[in-house]
Amino acid sequence: DAGVTQSPTHLIKTRGQHVTLRCSPISGHKSVSWYQQVLGQGPQFIFQYYEKEERGRGNFPDRFSARQFPNYSSELNVNALLLGDSALYLCASSLENQPQHFGDGTRLSIL
Amino acid sequence: LAKTTQPISMDSYEGQEVNITCSHNNIATNDYITWYQQFPSQGPRFIIQGYKTKVTNEVASLFIPADRKSSTLSLPRVSLSDTAVYYCLVGAGYSSASKIIFGSGTRLSIRP
Repeated sequence: DAGVTQSPTHLIKTRGQHVTLRCSPISGHKSVSWYQQVLGQGPQFIFQYYEKEERGRGNFPDRFSARQFPNYSSELNVNALLLGDSALYLCASSLENQPQHFGDGTRLSIL
Repeated sequence: LAKTTQPISMDSYEGQEVNITCSHNNIATNDYITWYQQFPSQGPRFIIQGYKTKVTNEVASLFIPADRKSSTLSLPRVSLSDTAVYYCLVGAGYSSASKIIFGSGTRLSIRP
């Protein structure tokens, strides 16, 4: 069975640009969450979507937005990129009330 | 939100049993305890989850005392490939991902 897939795996952007990261959950999983992981720290929660509705939002600025599509895939958008947005962005999917399964992330570098 | 405290790092040798303890003093009644393993440049991988007493699967055991204010992940007979960062999380199921906090984890190093 395919796990959580994320694209692209690596991305280089410059300050002020915007970026779209994509996530395909495990088949049958309706919940998708996004996390930001800065080097040396644990993942920080950004968003959770369930059945296309936002279920939770972490302490991130409005430059960060996300959505979930009818097929349960998801996009994370970040506008006006800052150097501090450089991180590994992780997507996780789960069944209701079950442990999350993570993809291997998108490594975003801001120059 | 329930926070967790883990040792920053641990060292051990191949073949040894490794126990990593996590403190979660303000765990709520409906919170579960979950452990993840993460290798560099990869996403966290689910290891084990429990609510109370002891849970065992093919890779690890999880011991939770009656007061549930701590938990211990036990890895039997570790190998070099167990070198990774281990995260302890507490949360009320995964319908509320926003209430689950990753700490900085425990960096486990296994030596030959």
